[in-house]
Formats: sequence, C-alpha cells, structure tokens
Amino acid sequence: QKEVEQDPGPLSVPEGAIVSLNCTYSNSAFQYFMWYRQYSRKGPELLMYTYSSGNKEDGRFTAQVDKSSKYISLFIRDSQPSDSATYLCASYMDSNYQLIWGAGTKLIIKP
Amino acid sequence: NAGVTQTPKFQVLKTGQSMTLQCAQDMNHEYMSWYRQDPGMGLRLIHYSVGAGITDQGEVPNGYNVSRSTTEDFPLRLLSAAPSQTSVYFCASSYKANQPQHFGDGTRLSIL
Repeated sequence: QKEVEQDPGPLSVPEGAIVSLNCTYSNSAFQYFMWYRQYSRKGPELLMYTYSSGNKEDGRFTAQVDKSSKYISLFIRDSQPSDSATYLCASYMDSNYQLIWGAGTKLIIKP
Repeated sequence: NAGVTQTPKFQVLKTGQSMTLQCAQDMNHEYMSWYRQDPGMGLRLIHYSVGAGITDQGEVPNGYNVSRSTTEDFPLRLLSAAPSQTSVYFCASSYKANQPQHFGDGTRLSIL
C-alpha cells in the first residue's frame, strides 16, 4: 500500500461546477500537506500548503485536512477549462522532510 | 527570475550510454532534489541536497549520481543508461528542506 493514495481519474465535470479532489494517507506522523497542479508537459506548481488539520482558502481553491480520518481534500469553485490539469497531493513529517506523493488525479473541465 | 531551469528538455540515449541532466536555480535555495515521474507512480525522489557539498539518497537512487559544488547547480548523472530509466525527470528547489518546492519543466528521457 502506498503511503499517499489518489484516484487517478480522469474526473470530468462541466464548467462552473464545484470540484472535489481527494487523497488518503496512512502515516499518522504526516504534518504538512500540499496540493500541486501539473499541466501537460510542465512541472508541478504549488497550489496550497497547509500544516496539520483544518481548512485553508485561496481564491477559488480550498484545501481541507482531516487528520482523524487521514483524508486530504481540494475543492475548486466555479471551475474553468483552464483548471484542466493533473492534481498531485503530497505530505511529509516534521522529522523527515522528504515529500511523499500521490500519483495524481487528472481533471477535465468541459466548456 | 528564471526559477528552476532544466536542460535538455528531451534526450534519446542508447543502452549503456552516460549523460548528465542539468539543473540550475537562481533563487539562492538551499534544498534541491531530483525526481522521476512515471505513469501511475507519481513522483519518486532520486537524490537530494540540503546545501552545497551535501547530498543524500532518496527512494530510487540506483543508477544515478549527483554532486552539489555550488548552491545554484545540481546535476544528475546517469552512469550507464538502461531502458528502465526511461522517464520524465524533474528538478526542484526550496529555500529550506521543510518549505514547498519549486519545479523545473522536466527532461523527457528515452533509453533505447
């Protein structure tokens, strides 16, 4: 079992919909959680960075961490075709700063 | 700022050849790392460095060497290329090890 799991998708939704992307993790020592967006033939770019549990909002994006269920979510409001990309979640511990990555979920926003 | 620059963008090698993938950052970041990305596998850490002169192995180091003689540069060397090393390679950097990483746009490597 991988330490960070993601459904690979693709997830296809109509423009304007609310998108929910999710990851689960197995290591209860993970404290830092990130979401990256990766366009085709590009490197990942950081979207959200959170520490421990709770919510963090940035524009149309909300990251949510539930440590009791080891569940990480990214919500995208008013989705746009430009949001079509692969979304990667990643985590690491206080004692070891090596990022552990999910395999990514491919998101398609249909105009 | 250029950020993280990787060269070349594409490369085709024959089995047994050696080559160096270049990575340079202009953000004065201490931490640099190399990943490979394969379909369905996510990003896997090959080697990393917490500062000039310091390197360490990640999850999949076999067949690769690194060095960090300057803060800016972190080249990745393939010693004797194998078809299993066909992948997309990403270099990343961050100010410190516990900070979010900035990525280059990758090198697409095919080993025949």
